[in-house]
Amino acid sequence: SQQGEEDPQALSIQEGENATMNCSYKTSINNLQWYRQNSGRGLVHLILIRSNEREKHSGRLRVTLDTSKKSSSLLITASRAADTASYFCATVNYGQNFVFGPGTRLSVLP
Amino acid sequence: EAGVAQSPRYKIIEKRQSVAFWCNPISGHATLYWYQQILGQGPKLLIQFQNNGVVDDSQLPKDRFSAERLKGVDSTLKIQPAKLEDSAVYLCASSSRTSGRYNEQFFGPGTRLTVL
Repeated sequence: SQQGEEDPQALSIQEGENATMNCSYKTSINNLQWYRQNSGRGLVHLILIRSNEREKHSGRLRVTLDTSKKSSSLLITASRAADTASYFCATVNYGQNFVFGPGTRLSVLP
Repeated sequence: EAGVAQSPRYKIIEKRQSVAFWCNPISGHATLYWYQQILGQGPKLLIQFQNNGVVDDSQLPKDRFSAERLKGVDSTLKIQPAKLEDSAVYLCASSSRTSGRYNEQFFGPGTRLTVL
């Protein structure tokens, strides 16, 4: 089974609201990454958080990691219509193996 | 810098036919990945190369899929013969341990395969 599991599967919000997505995983990791995929396009790296970090920020993005619960969350603040996309977490183990979750489909309505 | 290039962008074939995809990673990136992404799912790693050597091909259906990276640069992924369930987007990605962002994967636009 896949390592990362995102929750919810789909999320619909109004522009300006915050969006929170969660990712759970099962085994030890070196780092966890979040990627965005716009419809019909390749994935784009958003942010990486290492196993010894608890929180990271990048612009409107905030990622947290709780290794005791084997979970991570991605918060997008002040969402825009352009944030509409699928968001995937990827867990990376010490052997540099990437495992992607099934993704959260975010719709930001104008 | 130029991104990861893939071709073709779209391919439609009949089941039992053969198909090949090509990927040219970012210049200098030693690690190359092929993923299969079925509609509505996350990418699934098929094979990972480090230069021209295979690091991980545990999820590659070797009875019908093959991949090579002969000179450690560009790579081809082949399916022979194709089945209906192979319909998916095939993504290529590359990364570099020598860059400051060595853990980050850079993805190409993908090849959308439809098997009829």
